[in-house]
Amino acid sequence: DAGVIQSPRHEVTEMGQEVTLRCKPISGHNSLFWYRQTMMRGLELLIYFNNNVPIDDSGMPEDRFSAKMPNASFSTLKIQPSEPRDSAVYFCASSILDGNTIYFGEGSWLTVV
Amino acid sequence: AQSVTQPDIHITVSEGASLELRCNYSYGATPYLFWYVQSPGQGLQLLLKYFSGDTLVQGIKGFEAEFKRSQSSFNLRKPSVHWSDAAEYFCAVDTGFQKLVFGTGTRLLVSP
Repeated sequence: DAGVIQSPRHEVTEMGQEVTLRCKPISGHNSLFWYRQTMMRGLELLIYFNNNVPIDDSGMPEDRFSAKMPNASFSTLKIQPSEPRDSAVYFCASSILDGNTIYFGEGSWLTVV
Repeated sequence: AQSVTQPDIHITVSEGASLELRCNYSYGATPYLFWYVQSPGQGLQLLLKYFSGDTLVQGIKGFEAEFKRSQSSFNLRKPSVHWSDAAEYFCAVDTGFQKLVFGTGTRLLVSP
């Protein structure tokens, strides 16, 4: 079975450019999460969706970050404009709300120079 | 506020020796607790989880963890470590609606 699929796996971009990270959750899962991992702050929840609706975006660092989930099988996390401090690993994860197990993708490794 | 503390940043264990990774949590209600493992360049894989019931939880790869409410702890153990266990280990607590708060992680090094 396919797990959570993220793309791109690695991206290097210049400061000021727009970055779009993509996620395909596990089929049948109705909750989707975006996490960010940095050395300084560890793993942080940015936003999560339930049934395609954003439930809690309190972890989104600032207005440069936005996330969408247009349908049950696709989500994007966009950074515009990107800054060097956005360099991190961004994980997408999905679950069945009542299943209590969250499955993580392999991450998108972002470097902003 | 809910939090998870993993007091050990690094641990080195000889191959074949036993392992215990410490995790302490702060949460008002009965916690849902998790241990994840992250190999270099990889995502997070669930090792085990505790929701209720038996306080000793068995997981994959020969790992187990014990929930101790009186100590607010959920330590991860393995009786005999293999070189392939070298990775970073994260403890997490579900703060509601599957919003996980993670500890800072413990990096396990396995020496020959």
